[in-house]
Amino acid sequence: GIQVEQSPPDLILQEGANSTLRCNFSDSVNNLQWFHQNPWGQLINLFYIPSGTKQNGRLSATTVATERYSLLYISSSQTTDSGVYFCAPTSGGGADGLTFGKGTHLIIQP
Amino acid sequence: DSGVTQTPKHLITATGQRVTLRCSPRSGDLSVYWYQQSLDQGLQFLIQYYNGEERAKGNILERFSAQQFPDLHSELNLSSLELGDSALYFCASSVRGQGHGELFFGEGSRLTVL
Repeated sequence: GIQVEQSPPDLILQEGANSTLRCNFSDSVNNLQWFHQNPWGQLINLFYIPSGTKQNGRLSATTVATERYSLLYISSSQTTDSGVYFCAPTSGGGADGLTFGKGTHLIIQP
Repeated sequence: DSGVTQTPKHLITATGQRVTLRCSPRSGDLSVYWYQQSLDQGLQFLIQYYNGEERAKGNILERFSAQQFPDLHSELNLSSLELGDSALYFCASSVRGQGHGELFFGEGSRLTVL
């Protein structure tokens, strides 16, 4: 199946900082989602982005499918941004579930 | 609120027992997916149902089974439970089956096996 590598694995930032999280994947994709898992364990949809760029407030994401990577940008970080960010693509076959990376554990300090 | 409902939220049971986790998908969604999140394995895809039929299988153990009912809710049955089955079990739903639309996750059912 598709392999997913997220970097960095851990990130500690001060409130107000910007960050870029990266997701590399090994195969062509027809779906890619970014999720935020908050400290209570909830998985929150951030972006559905198999290709192109999307923005939602302080967050934006870009997927370059031909080069097999996706980036999540977080600007002006807030403490509520803390948690684990997962990238989850589906390979071109489309019949399998999303494959989750190991995530980036983000801690925003006040 | 994603619109996906899972029950129970927490469950504590003993080894060897059997439990059933329930999921109601978002209104209009035909696909239901089950995922297991454990500390050592991360988030793993277990199984997918689309409109009542099994569509794809992932790393689901033979002790586990699932089904999707005519009203589209789904149940995940876990039997002969072992300590290692302790995990957070998520259900997700989407409109589409193959090729996937956007998946929306429930809040999860946290299973503790003692």
